[in-house]
Parts: sequence; C-alpha cells; structure tokens
Amino acid sequence: DTGVSQDPRHKITKRGQNVTFRCDPISEHNRLYWYRQTLGQGPEFLTYFQNEAQLEKSRLLSDRFSAERPKGSFSTLEIQRTEQGDSAMYLCASSQRTGPNTEAFFGQGTRLTVV
Amino acid sequence: TQLLEQSPQFLSIQEGENLTVYCNSSSVFSSLQWYRQEPGEGPVLLVTVVTGGEVKKLKRLTFQFGDARKDSSLHITAAQPGDTGLYLCAGDPLMSGNNRLAFGKGNQVVVIP
Repeated sequence: DTGVSQDPRHKITKRGQNVTFRCDPISEHNRLYWYRQTLGQGPEFLTYFQNEAQLEKSRLLSDRFSAERPKGSFSTLEIQRTEQGDSAMYLCASSQRTGPNTEAFFGQGTRLTVV
Repeated sequence: TQLLEQSPQFLSIQEGENLTVYCNSSSVFSSLQWYRQEPGEGPVLLVTVVTGGEVKKLKRLTFQFGDARKDSSLHITAAQPGDTGLYLCAGDPLMSGNNRLAFGKGNQVVVIP
C-alpha cells in the first residue's frame, strides 16, 4: 500500500449532473477525511469518518453532498445536481490517530470542473 | 473566522535567501502539522510539532511550535527553487470537541532561480 489514492483525477461534468468520487485510504488507517479546496485557499473540511461511522459533517455541506464509507474501507463522495460553484479540488486524507497527533496523509485529489 | 491565520499569504524571494512564514491562532492546539502542496497535487506532510517550544529541523527547513502551543513558524535557510510551493499549517484545537483537522489558507512561496 503506497498511500491514499483517489479516482478519478479529473472530472468534467455538465451542470445538473451527478458525480461520484472514490477514495482508498492507507489500509491500516481508521480515520478518513474529505476536503474541498479552491484556488488560493487552504483545504476546507467537508466530512470525517472513523471506521464506517460518519462522525462529523460541515455545516457548509449542502444536502446535495453525501459521503459513505461502507465497511470502514474505501469512501465515496457524491454530489447531486452539480452547480458551477462546486468546481474545486476534492481531497481525501486518512490518518491513524495516536496520542495527541492527527497526522493526515492526502491523496492527489480529484479536480472537478462543472460547465 | 479563520481558525489558523498564515502570513504572509504570498512571498517571493531569490534563490539562496532565507525566509520565515507564520501560522497563528487564538486557540491552543495539541499539535500542529505543516504540509507543502504543489499545483494540482495533494498536500504532503512535512512535520508535526507537539510540545510547546519544540524545534524540529528537516534539512534546510526549521519548524518551531510556540510555547503556548497557539502558533508556529517555518524558517527556510538558503532557499532553493524546489522549495517553491504552498505551505499549509493544520491542527485540531484542544477545546473544539471535534476531530476535524483545520487548515490555514497557506503561505505561497516562490523561489526565483
């Protein structure tokens, strides 16, 4: 296992279509995060799983966004009825928290463009 | 309100010069992480600082955690073009009651050959 992998790397979709992204975390990591990043900004927290449980979801996340992590392994992030404002880099990260640290390891991201 | 404030937002220097960037907060953190991100890629973890006053070195990069664990700095000695990137600090505030990893907006560093 060489790290966190995300698929696809790039996605272009028409406004109103649904899209789904996949994240495969580092295998022994029990925590998985989704972030969104736009140009010139730091990553913005979307949601967080510990094993298969979704423990937190940002208030910024509209009802069009949903994430799952069946069996506590890979995760999917779905955006329904995409809007141009959804265009961003979607980043997935995983961690195995030990002590006070939350060192997260990121995938290469999925670049979404809504046209 | 941004939990972690990074300054300066943008910094351009000549190869061989030194630079320092900062990450500040009004909250106390159990630890802070520094990441470097290149265009079109995900952030890559550089270091974690845990103890107040701690100093960690990674080749020409020196990271310091403030005594009160509310701030951190990154100093680069004799910067190289390969140091160009977006430097992000991140952490879990101690009193947040959640486990999200909050990020600053980053320090964009450009090293000119």
